[in-house]
Amino acid sequence: NAGVTQTPKFQVLKTGQSMTLQCAQDMNHNSMYWYRQDPGMGLRLIYYSASEGTTDKGEVPNGYNVSRLNKREFSLRLESAAPSQTSVYFCASVKSGGYTDTQYFGPGTRLTVL
Amino acid sequence: GESVGLHLPTLSVQEGDNSIINCAYSNSASDYFIWYKQESGKGPQFIIDIRSNMDKRQGQRVTVLLNKTVKHLSLQIAATQPGDSAVYFCAGFWGIQGAQKLVFGQGTRLTINP
Repeated sequence: NAGVTQTPKFQVLKTGQSMTLQCAQDMNHNSMYWYRQDPGMGLRLIYYSASEGTTDKGEVPNGYNVSRLNKREFSLRLESAAPSQTSVYFCASVKSGGYTDTQYFGPGTRLTVL
Repeated sequence: GESVGLHLPTLSVQEGDNSIINCAYSNSASDYFIWYKQESGKGPQFIIDIRSNMDKRQGQRVTVLLNKTVKHLSLQIAATQPGDSAVYFCAGFWGIQGAQKLVFGQGTRLTINP
């Protein structure tokens, strides 16, 4: 049981390049989330998927797209990377989205956009 | 909108001492709060939670206090150990359509001095 896994761990992009961050969970959780974490700040929600087949915007969705490929996988895509998207990205999952269910986080992807 | 903030960005304590990390929130509608611990290079890890119908909840060496009157919560860590050195985040829960929406504070970096 690996929990929440993310790939890649590190990535450097040039402005305008595109890439997809991958996230997978093996806990049979229904809800999955993408956050970004900037220095000195807490995590901010980018997008989330309450269940397979649904996605919704979070607090900072601009410049990103997501795909809930199946119950296990939730990817985050940057179509045209910008320096402002330099950040650490975390994926999380939770069993049902009930408010006392614990969110489990992946190890993060550190992205630098030059 | 909702906001959650921590009072101090950094805190240093001597090993064996108790530490208190504080957090304030703005939205009275939140009925659930969580403390996360984040070690360097890792994703946040759940520590303890508290519902709004409680004032206090205890775990192993950790206690969370909630004061709804002043919209304040705190995390107390007893008999601190070197492994407690990390960034601690409080998060408030505001549910959306069955999915959790967590709003995180900026985090407090706790350093345990030997």
